[in-house]
Amino acid sequence: AAGVIQSPRHLIKEKRETATLKCYPISRHDTVYWYQQGPGQDPQFLISFYEKMQSDKGSIPDRFSAQQFSDYHSELNMSSLELGDSALYFCASRRLGGGLDEQFFGPGTRLTVL
Amino acid sequence: GNSVTQMEGPVTLSEEAFLTINCTYTATGYPSLFWYVQYPGEGLQLLLKATKADDKGSNKGFEATYRKETTSFHLEKGSVQVSDSAVYFCALSPSTDSWGKLQFGAGTQVVVTP
Repeated sequence: AAGVIQSPRHLIKEKRETATLKCYPISRHDTVYWYQQGPGQDPQFLISFYEKMQSDKGSIPDRFSAQQFSDYHSELNMSSLELGDSALYFCASRRLGGGLDEQFFGPGTRLTVL
Repeated sequence: GNSVTQMEGPVTLSEEAFLTINCTYTATGYPSLFWYVQYPGEGLQLLLKATKADDKGSNKGFEATYRKETTSFHLEKGSVQVSDSAVYFCALSPSTDSWGKLQFGAGTQVVVTP
């Protein structure tokens, strides 16, 4: 079965530019999570969606926004990029309604802000 | 609040040596506990999990037992291989959190030499 797909895999942006990261969850998974992993750091939870509604929010800057679409894919929009936004961004999906507690992670998008 | 504490790395071992990575947690109730592994340049892969006290998770020769009395979930493997070189993250999902976001430890880098 196909895993979580993230695109692009690598992204280079300048300061103050915008970026959009995409996540395609595993089929029939209804919940998507976004995490940010800075260099040498542990992944930090940003935001999650269940059935296209925001379900939880972590340490996500106001410059970032996200949504989940009708086909369950999710997009993380990042504006006014700063050098400190350079990180690996992971998306994970889960079938919350099915009672499974395992999150499946995508390969990540590596964002570099110059 | 919830937190996960892991032993610092890097942990350097010879092939066939015994590996232990300590993990302790702070959380209310009975969180689910996980070990994720991250190989260089890749995303996070679930290695094993335990959802209640005294559960033992196991996979690929790795084991960890959920110890409520010591709030620990130490990872062990009896005989490591070079291919086990990776960063290992201990994580919890609070039982009080309906949406299941993960709280990660800082990660422990393991280096196995031939």
